[in-house]
Amino acid sequence: GAVVSQHPSWVICKSGTSVKIECRSLDFQATTMFWYRQFPKQSLMLMATSNEGSKATYEQGVEKDKFLINHASLTLSTLTVTSAHPEDSSFYICSEKGMAADTQYFGPGTRLTVL
Amino acid sequence: AQSVTQPDIHITVSEGASLELRCNYSYGATPYLFWYVQSPGQGLQLLLKYFSGDTLVQGIKGFEAEFKRSQSSFNLRKPSVHWSDAAEYFCAVGAGGFQKLVFGTGTRLLVSP
Repeated sequence: GAVVSQHPSWVICKSGTSVKIECRSLDFQATTMFWYRQFPKQSLMLMATSNEGSKATYEQGVEKDKFLINHASLTLSTLTVTSAHPEDSSFYICSEKGMAADTQYFGPGTRLTVL
Repeated sequence: AQSVTQPDIHITVSEGASLELRCNYSYGATPYLFWYVQSPGQGLQLLLKYFSGDTLVQGIKGFEAEFKRSQSSFNLRKPSVHWSDAAEYFCAVGAGGFQKLVFGTGTRLLVSP
């Protein structure tokens, strides 16, 4: 399967600061990228879908001004958590799929802790 | 709207015993079905997928799953479990042009010696 990396793997930040998480496709062109959020011992919840060069489509209930997604190239998508608060602490996972591909490949996730 | 139900939150299986993890889905059209495995603190790894054709699908690590339309099920099986199989297993249904995935709540597999 395709290889997807995320950076950082974990981050601790102070409340009110912004954090950027990178998702990179290492061996294929990812036309579509997805960002998920996973609370402890729970399932993955889709936050947003983005296509390269287009604005992201956010799921209902996800604040687009708080979770900024940029998909500027076919190999890189970023999620920026702005003005982070402790309730934003979670495990964030990205996934990618190529054009006409039928499967999503997931990154290893980023553990965000907001103090 | 599509949904996925994994009725078992936890399952404990003895090493070497067989395993079946249940998954039921709700989707109006022919679903795209997936099983993923997640080790603690890790991302998801694809085990297998079903789109069409043979309803018995073979995956990696000795796993297989059977699609049963009449029961709206896609149960995951393995004939002999290894200790390294202990992890969280997620069933998912894909829908829409961008293949949005809807995940079940997951089943945590514990393997006893």
